[in-house]
Amino acid sequence: DTGVSQNPRHKITKRGQNVTFRCDPISEHNRLYWYRQTLGQGPEFLTYFQNEAQLEKSRLLSDRFSAERPKGSFSTLEIQRTEQGDSAMYLCASSPGTALDTEAFFGQGTRLTVV
Amino acid sequence: AQKITQTQPGMFVQEKEAVTLDCTYDTSDQSYGLFWYKQPSSGEMIFLIYQGSYDEQNATEGRYSLNFQKARKSANLVISASQLGDSAMYFCAMREGDTGFQKLVFGTGTRLLVSP
Repeated sequence: DTGVSQNPRHKITKRGQNVTFRCDPISEHNRLYWYRQTLGQGPEFLTYFQNEAQLEKSRLLSDRFSAERPKGSFSTLEIQRTEQGDSAMYLCASSPGTALDTEAFFGQGTRLTVV
Repeated sequence: AQKITQTQPGMFVQEKEAVTLDCTYDTSDQSYGLFWYKQPSSGEMIFLIYQGSYDEQNATEGRYSLNFQKARKSANLVISASQLGDSAMYFCAMREGDTGFQKLVFGTGTRLLVSP
């Protein structure tokens, strides 16, 4: 499978616990993005990596959220002290990193439920 | 600020018929890109079609075409010859600038149901 891979697909956690999600982008894609999608809404941009550098973070990404892409390949998104409002689908996407990408390729997402 | 508006929460169409999903956008940028994505129940966002703001012709990809009316700031998706597998959520999205940076702003989506 050469698409964007996200793990786990589903996560149920108790409020206050920490969770970590992983995203494996398409091989050789330089750009990696995280989005969050709540029920009935379109995805909202969270953050963006160019290789290993995190170049932009949305205001939606509070201090409890941290994302890394240590070797410019896979990425992790960690949420500390989860809250019920964190319940959402977390989508990862990647794109080649050419001068004008015309599409980002999305993974199937990780659905987080905080109880 | 960018904004995408999809006014149709749900649309119904019979198999083999054409359907138009509406999308209007708001931006002050001269250079931007418009996208349509399909999201089936599995959750993955599937890219359908792209239109650049400087593209003079409407984009087409198989059964999908984008009716781009720049003056009206609309980018409607037309699906011809609907199939049962087209039943899904459809999102319109916009990217400002032409750097290739895929920071997209999405609309709230339209749920399409194709009936036999």
